[in-house]
Amino acid sequence: GAVVSQHPSRVICKSGTSVKIECRSLDFQATTMFWYRQFPKQSLMLMATSNEGSKATYEQGVEKDKFLINHASLTLSTLTVTSAHPEDSSFYICSARSVNTEAFFGQGTRLTVV
Amino acid sequence: GESVGLHLPTLSVQEGDNSIINCAYSNSASDYFIWYKQESGKGPQFIIDIRSNMDKRQGQRVTVLLNKTVKHLSLQIAATQPGDSAVYFCAETAMDSSYKLIFGSGTRLLVRP
Repeated sequence: GAVVSQHPSRVICKSGTSVKIECRSLDFQATTMFWYRQFPKQSLMLMATSNEGSKATYEQGVEKDKFLINHASLTLSTLTVTSAHPEDSSFYICSARSVNTEAFFGQGTRLTVV
Repeated sequence: GESVGLHLPTLSVQEGDNSIINCAYSNSASDYFIWYKQESGKGPQFIIDIRSNMDKRQGQRVTVLLNKTVKHLSLQIAATQPGDSAVYFCAETAMDSSYKLIFGSGTRLLVRP
């Protein structure tokens, strides 16, 4: 299957700082990328959908000013958690797809805010 | 809406036995369903999918059953192996909805040696 790479896999940041997570499709052009958040022992919750070159569409309850999503190219989307707080600590997962393909998932990023 | 589980139900099976994991989906408009396997600290891994015009699909050691009448999905794993131990999620989407996947609450599968 296609490869989606997330970076970093783990990050620890201080409360109040911002953290950027990258999601790359390595061997295909991703017209759509999705960002999920997963708390321990819970399911994946969709945060937003981003189409290349367009503004992201956020799910209800997700603050767009706090979780900045950029999808500037067909192979890269970034999620920036701004002014991070301990409650933002979570496992963030991206997925990417092209037209008429399934969604391929990244390996996830463990964010810890201290 | 999205499914959020407060805890993960656990299915414990003996190695070599068959496993059946169930999932109730929420949206009658969903027409495409996928089962994912997630190991600790990793992203979801595709197992098998099924479209709403089918009620059964088989893969290697896995079978997915779809009952649209009661909005129920199941994953059957034959001859369960220790490497099958993981959390399993079903996901639903409508093919014309830009493929937004909504995940079920998940089931933890523990395989006893």
